[in-house]
Amino acid sequence: KNQVEQSPQSLIILEGKNCTLQCNYTVSPFSNLRWYKQDTGRGPVSLTIMTFSENTKSNGRYTATLDADTKQSSLHITASQLSDSASYICVVSLSFHAGNNRKLIWGLGTSLAVNP
Amino acid sequence: GAVVSQHPSRVICKSGTSVKIECRSLDFQATTMFWYRQFPKQSLMLMATSNEGSKATYEQGVEKDKFLINHASLTLSTLTVTSAHPEDSSFYICSAGGTGEETQYFGPGTRLLVL
Repeated sequence: KNQVEQSPQSLIILEGKNCTLQCNYTVSPFSNLRWYKQDTGRGPVSLTIMTFSENTKSNGRYTATLDADTKQSSLHITASQLSDSASYICVVSLSFHAGNNRKLIWGLGTSLAVNP
Repeated sequence: GAVVSQHPSRVICKSGTSVKIECRSLDFQATTMFWYRQFPKQSLMLMATSNEGSKATYEQGVEKDKFLINHASLTLSTLTVTSAHPEDSSFYICSAGGTGEETQYFGPGTRLLVL
């Protein structure tokens, strides 16, 4: 069964601190793995997209890693800011042989609260 | 990045009425648009995939006669919730991508409350 599991479910940190969010997946055939940030009441915004051959990708203070062998990914947030408070969702894209509409398998997200 | 808009941002309606939600790609042509539904504290659930000029493909368990999707142009897709009921209250999000586009660009979402 294609699944994406994220941990922790929720996290509270102080402003300025770093944190790491985890994502484990059992998805096949794998196309790519994405991390999205979703503010409350808003649509998701893409942070990173990684293919099978990519181990790490950064976007400002966000750094994602991917271990395709263990099927694990992490999102590291450096020097957190109050505006980082949001839900962070790990999404894995299935690779189909035909067509362009690749199916996305969504995690439940990690709810991050950054407190002053 | 590409911009996708949704209108309205929130809507309150009486049970039994129909509600139309628009999704527009503002600065690119989207051959494919996706409609999602998200309940509180849950992940996005894909409802249907719409391709410009053809019928939408619905996910299992989604009633196509209740959730009407029209993708009449490369920049506009609409979702109509027909005869809405309180259980249809949810956050509806669209996304758009081009042919073979790996990245989907998400709209800001529409909050629907059916009384």
